Amino acid sequence: EAQVTQNPRYLITVTGKKLTVTCSQNMNHEYMSWYRQDPGLGLRQIYYSMNVEVTDKGDVPEGYKVSRKEKRNFPLILESPSPNQTSLYFCASSLLGGRHEKLFFGSGTQLSVL
Amino acid sequence: DAKTTQPNSMESNEEEPVHLPCNHSTISGTDYIHWYRQLPSQGPEYVIHGLTSNVNNRMASLAIAEDRKSSTLILHRATLRDAAVYYCPPREGANNLFFGTGTRLTVIP
Repeated sequence: EAQVTQNPRYLITVTGKKLTVTCSQNMNHEYMSWYRQDPGLGLRQIYYSMNVEVTDKGDVPEGYKVSRKEKRNFPLILESPSPNQTSLYFCASSLLGGRHEKLFFGSGTQLSVL
Repeated sequence: DAKTTQPNSMESNEEEPVHLPCNHSTISGTDYIHWYRQLPSQGPEYVIHGLTSNVNNRMASLAIAEDRKSSTLILHRATLRDAAVYYCPPREGANNLFFGTGTRLTVIP
């Protein structure tokens, strides 16, 4: 089944403790992206990647890092999490990132930073 | 970047048609009109998209105004499983769809 898999589904951590949220897709998609969703603000793009070793900032990249060493994986790294990064995170992918393509989303990771 | 306007919420009775509107008066001529929905506790899922002509698929129909300044997502018979937040995200920059707060659809049994 074609899918985008995120792990973990829920994560509670403390300020400053590095964490990684994993994202994997099995559709051989070149384009992958991370969003965060906050009440009243909708989904905001954090980072995106057009292909292996090609990443770029979205609207809210501060405090986040990403890497794209393999086509299928696009982990989101919070090196020193802070409470304002408490949010619901979604990974998404599409074939090439083209204007007409549909995005496939993961089920989300609810992160709480205490 | 284009902007879209949607009602914050709508209600529908079960098994009745639902017409969800979206205004996108600043859309560019080459941008597709996309619709996604987000069910409770899930990520957004693709519903339908089109450029100029009306489109149908197994989930819904998309009616696009002739001037492309607005579109309507049509659910022909709403079910309880259609209760979700519906988005018509405009293109933002080269590689992003901007998902705002969408329309929360409540389906009444």
